[in-house]
Amino acid sequence: GENVEQHPSTLSVQEGDSAVIKCTYSDSASNYFPWYKQELGKGPQLIIDIRSNVGEKKDQRIAVTLNKTAKHFSLHITETQPEDSAVYFCAAKISNFGNEKLTFGTGTRLTIIP
Amino acid sequence: ETGVTQTPRHLVMGMTNKKSLKCEQHLGHNAMYWYKQSAKKPLELMFVYNFKEQTENNSVPSRFSPECPNSSHLFLHLHTLQPEDSALYLCASSQEGGAGANVLTFGAGSRLTVL
Repeated sequence: GENVEQHPSTLSVQEGDSAVIKCTYSDSASNYFPWYKQELGKGPQLIIDIRSNVGEKKDQRIAVTLNKTAKHFSLHITETQPEDSAVYFCAAKISNFGNEKLTFGTGTRLTIIP
Repeated sequence: ETGVTQTPRHLVMGMTNKKSLKCEQHLGHNAMYWYKQSAKKPLELMFVYNFKEQTENNSVPSRFSPECPNSSHLFLHLHTLQPEDSALYLCASSQEGGAGANVLTFGAGSRLTVL
Protein backbone atom coordinates (compact mmCIF):
# COMPACT_ATOMS: atom_id res chain seq x y z
CA GLY A 1 0.00 0.00 0.00
CA GLU A 2 0.86 3.67 -0.11
CA ASN A 3 3.39 5.10 2.37
CA VAL A 4 3.75 8.85 2.91
CA GLU A 5 6.71 10.35 4.76
CA GLN A 6 6.66 13.95 5.93
CA HIS A 7 9.50 16.22 7.09
CA PRO A 8 10.25 18.05 9.26
CA SER A 9 8.10 17.06 12.23
CA THR A 10 8.50 20.53 13.75
CA LEU A 11 9.39 23.83 12.11
CA SER A 12 9.82 27.29 13.57
CA VAL A 13 10.17 30.34 11.33
CA GLN A 14 10.30 34.05 11.92
CA GLU A 15 7.17 35.95 10.98
CA GLY A 16 7.45 37.15 7.42
CA ASP A 17 9.84 34.38 6.39
CA SER A 18 8.93 31.39 4.23
CA ALA A 19 8.20 27.84 5.39
CA VAL A 20 8.61 24.65 3.37
CA ILE A 21 7.27 21.21 4.30
CA LYS A 22 8.20 18.17 2.24
CA CYS A 23 6.54 14.81 1.64
CA THR A 24 7.46 11.70 -0.29
CA TYR A 25 5.15 8.93 -1.42
CA SER A 26 5.77 5.35 -2.48
CA ASP A 27 2.98 4.40 -4.91
CA SER A 28 3.64 5.79 -8.38
CA ALA A 29 -0.07 5.35 -9.18
CA SER A 30 -1.03 8.05 -6.66
CA ASN A 31 -2.39 11.06 -8.50
CA TYR A 32 -4.01 13.30 -5.89
CA PHE A 33 -2.08 15.17 -3.17
CA PRO A 34 -3.92 17.36 -0.66
CA TRP A 35 -2.59 19.39 2.25
CA TYR A 36 -4.58 19.82 5.44
CA LYS A 37 -4.09 22.37 8.22
CA GLN A 38 -5.13 21.54 11.78
CA GLU A 39 -5.41 24.37 14.27
CA LEU A 40 -5.54 23.77 17.99
CA GLY A 41 -8.85 22.23 19.05
CA LYS A 42 -10.09 21.80 15.50
CA GLY A 43 -10.17 19.10 12.87
CA PRO A 44 -7.94 19.18 9.79
CA GLN A 45 -9.06 21.51 7.01
CA LEU A 46 -8.09 21.27 3.35
CA ILE A 47 -5.97 24.27 2.32
CA ILE A 48 -4.68 23.27 -1.10
CA ASP A 49 -4.44 20.20 -3.31
CA ILE A 50 -2.74 19.20 -6.52
CA ARG A 51 -3.26 16.51 -9.11
CA SER A 52 -0.52 14.69 -10.96
CA ASN A 53 -1.22 16.40 -14.26
CA VAL A 54 0.24 19.70 -12.97
CA GLY A 55 3.58 20.53 -11.38
CA GLU A 56 2.64 23.53 -9.28
CA LYS A 57 -0.41 25.23 -7.86
CA LYS A 58 -0.69 28.54 -6.00
CA ASP A 59 -3.32 30.13 -3.83
CA GLN A 60 -2.26 33.51 -2.48
CA ARG A 61 0.57 32.86 0.03
CA ILE A 62 0.54 29.07 -0.25
CA ALA A 63 1.79 26.90 -3.08
CA VAL A 64 2.34 23.21 -3.67
CA THR A 65 4.87 21.67 -6.01
CA LEU A 66 4.90 18.10 -7.29
CA ASN A 67 7.76 16.08 -8.72
CA LYS A 68 6.25 12.86 -10.07
CA THR A 69 9.58 11.39 -11.12
CA ALA A 70 11.04 11.72 -7.64
CA LYS A 71 7.67 11.05 -6.00
CA HIS A 72 7.76 14.02 -3.72
CA PHE A 73 5.64 17.11 -3.17
CA SER A 74 6.08 20.19 -1.03
CA LEU A 75 4.04 22.92 0.63
CA HIS A 76 5.42 26.45 0.49
CA ILE A 77 4.07 29.25 2.67
CA THR A 78 5.42 32.73 1.99
CA GLU A 79 5.24 35.86 4.15
CA THR A 80 4.26 33.75 7.16
CA GLN A 81 1.87 35.18 9.73
CA PRO A 82 1.03 34.12 13.30
CA GLU A 83 -2.23 32.53 12.11
CA ASP A 84 -0.19 30.11 10.02
CA SER A 85 0.87 28.37 13.25
CA ALA A 86 -0.75 24.92 13.13
CA VAL A 87 -0.07 21.28 12.30
CA TYR A 88 0.09 20.56 8.57
CA PHE A 89 -0.58 17.13 7.05
CA CYS A 90 0.20 15.97 3.55
CA ALA A 91 -1.64 13.06 1.98
CA ALA A 92 -1.72 11.00 -1.18
CA LYS A 93 -4.13 8.69 -2.95
CA ILE A 94 -5.13 7.16 -6.24
CA SER A 95 -8.15 9.17 -7.28
CA ASN A 96 -10.68 8.02 -9.80
CA PHE A 97 -13.57 10.00 -8.29
CA GLY A 98 -14.21 7.16 -5.92
CA ASN A 99 -13.49 6.77 -2.23
CA GLU A 100 -10.01 5.34 -2.54
CA LYS A 101 -8.08 5.44 0.70
CA LEU A 102 -6.25 8.68 1.53
CA THR A 103 -2.86 8.04 3.18
CA PHE A 104 -1.63 10.81 5.48
CA GLY A 105 1.83 11.84 6.59
CA THR A 106 2.71 12.19 10.28
CA GLY A 107 2.28 15.96 10.35
CA THR A 108 4.48 19.04 10.77
CA ARG A 109 3.97 21.42 13.67
CA LEU A 110 4.68 24.89 12.30
CA THR A 111 5.32 27.71 14.76
CA ILE A 112 5.55 31.30 13.56
CA ILE A 113 7.74 33.41 15.83
CA PRO A 114 6.46 37.02 16.10
CA GLU B 1 -18.05 25.24 12.48
CA THR B 2 -17.23 23.20 9.40
CA GLY B 3 -20.64 21.56 8.94
CA VAL B 4 -19.52 18.36 10.68
CA THR B 5 -20.46 18.25 14.37
CA GLN B 6 -19.03 15.74 16.81
CA THR B 7 -20.22 15.02 20.35
CA PRO B 8 -19.00 14.71 22.99
CA ARG B 9 -15.84 16.78 22.54
CA HIS B 10 -14.22 15.07 25.52
CA LEU B 11 -14.88 11.64 27.02
CA VAL B 12 -13.24 9.78 29.87
CA MET B 13 -14.19 6.15 30.35
CA GLY B 14 -13.08 3.09 32.20
CA MET B 15 -12.16 -0.10 30.42
CA THR B 16 -15.46 -1.76 31.30
CA ASN B 17 -17.69 1.14 30.23
CA LYS B 18 -19.82 1.38 27.11
CA LYS B 19 -20.07 4.76 25.43
CA SER B 20 -20.80 6.18 22.00
CA LEU B 21 -19.39 8.96 19.86
CA LYS B 22 -21.76 10.83 17.58
CA CYS B 23 -21.15 12.63 14.30
CA GLU B 24 -23.59 14.67 12.26
CA GLN B 25 -22.99 16.41 8.94
CA HIS B 26 -25.18 19.11 7.44
CA LEU B 27 -23.44 19.27 4.06
CA GLY B 28 -25.53 16.81 2.08
CA HIS B 29 -22.50 14.53 1.68
CA ASN B 30 -22.95 10.85 0.90
CA ALA B 31 -19.81 9.41 2.51
CA MET B 32 -18.74 9.48 6.16
CA TYR B 33 -15.54 8.35 7.85
CA TRP B 34 -14.04 7.64 11.26
CA TYR B 35 -10.35 8.40 11.73
CA LYS B 36 -8.12 7.87 14.78
CA GLN B 37 -5.49 10.53 15.50
CA SER B 38 -2.67 9.61 17.88
CA ALA B 39 0.40 11.69 18.68
CA LYS B 40 3.24 11.42 16.15
CA LYS B 41 1.30 8.98 13.96
CA PRO B 42 -0.47 9.47 10.64
CA LEU B 43 -4.23 9.77 10.69
CA GLU B 44 -5.55 6.20 10.73
CA LEU B 45 -8.66 5.45 8.70
CA MET B 46 -11.02 3.19 10.68
CA PHE B 47 -14.31 2.98 8.81
CA VAL B 48 -15.92 4.32 5.65
CA TYR B 49 -19.62 4.50 4.86
CA ASN B 50 -21.04 5.31 1.42
CA PHE B 51 -24.77 5.89 1.19
CA LYS B 52 -25.14 4.29 4.66
CA GLU B 53 -23.30 1.13 3.59
CA GLN B 54 -19.97 0.23 5.16
CA THR B 55 -17.38 0.06 2.40
CA GLU B 56 -14.23 -0.18 4.49
CA ASN B 57 -13.22 -1.61 7.84
CA ASN B 58 -9.52 -1.02 8.19
CA SER B 59 -8.82 -4.02 10.45
CA VAL B 60 -10.32 -2.26 13.44
CA PRO B 61 -10.79 -4.31 16.65
CA SER B 62 -14.36 -5.37 17.37
CA ARG B 63 -14.44 -3.24 20.55
CA PHE B 64 -15.13 -0.37 18.10
CA SER B 65 -18.52 -0.75 16.45
CA PRO B 66 -19.72 1.80 13.87
CA GLU B 67 -23.31 2.57 13.02
CA CYS B 68 -24.64 4.70 10.16
CA PRO B 69 -28.43 4.99 10.33
CA ASN B 70 -28.57 7.54 7.48
CA SER B 71 -26.23 9.59 5.30
CA SER B 72 -26.14 12.43 7.84
CA HIS B 73 -25.35 10.55 11.05
CA LEU B 74 -22.51 8.31 12.11
CA PHE B 75 -21.87 6.70 15.47
CA LEU B 76 -18.91 4.90 16.98
CA HIS B 77 -19.91 2.57 19.80
CA LEU B 78 -17.16 1.82 22.29
CA HIS B 79 -16.93 -1.08 24.73
CA THR B 80 -14.19 -2.73 26.78
CA LEU B 81 -11.57 -0.34 25.43
CA GLN B 82 -7.90 -0.40 26.30
CA PRO B 83 -5.73 2.53 27.49
CA GLU B 84 -3.94 2.52 24.11
CA ASP B 85 -7.27 3.43 22.51
CA SER B 86 -6.96 6.89 24.04
CA ALA B 87 -6.79 9.30 21.11
CA LEU B 88 -8.64 11.97 19.19
CA TYR B 89 -11.38 10.41 17.07
CA LEU B 90 -12.21 12.43 13.99
CA CYS B 91 -15.30 12.15 11.88
CA ALA B 92 -15.23 13.35 8.27
CA SER B 93 -17.58 13.49 5.33
CA SER B 94 -17.22 13.91 1.58
CA GLN B 95 -19.30 13.99 -1.56
CA GLU B 96 -18.26 10.97 -3.56
CA GLY B 97 -18.47 11.17 -7.32
CA GLY B 98 -17.54 14.23 -9.32
CA ALA B 99 -15.02 16.96 -8.64
CA GLY B 100 -15.64 17.08 -4.89
CA ALA B 101 -14.92 13.42 -4.38
CA ASN B 102 -11.56 13.86 -2.73
CA VAL B 103 -12.28 16.67 -0.30
CA LEU B 104 -12.75 15.58 3.29
CA THR B 105 -14.54 17.89 5.72
CA PHE B 106 -13.55 17.02 9.28
CA GLY B 107 -15.28 17.62 12.57
CA ALA B 108 -13.38 18.98 15.57
CA GLY B 109 -12.98 15.52 17.04
CA SER B 110 -13.82 13.68 20.24
CA ARG B 111 -10.91 13.41 22.68
CA LEU B 112 -11.16 9.99 24.32
CA THR B 113 -9.26 8.99 27.44
CA VAL B 114 -9.46 5.37 28.60
CA LEU B 115 -8.45 4.82 32.23
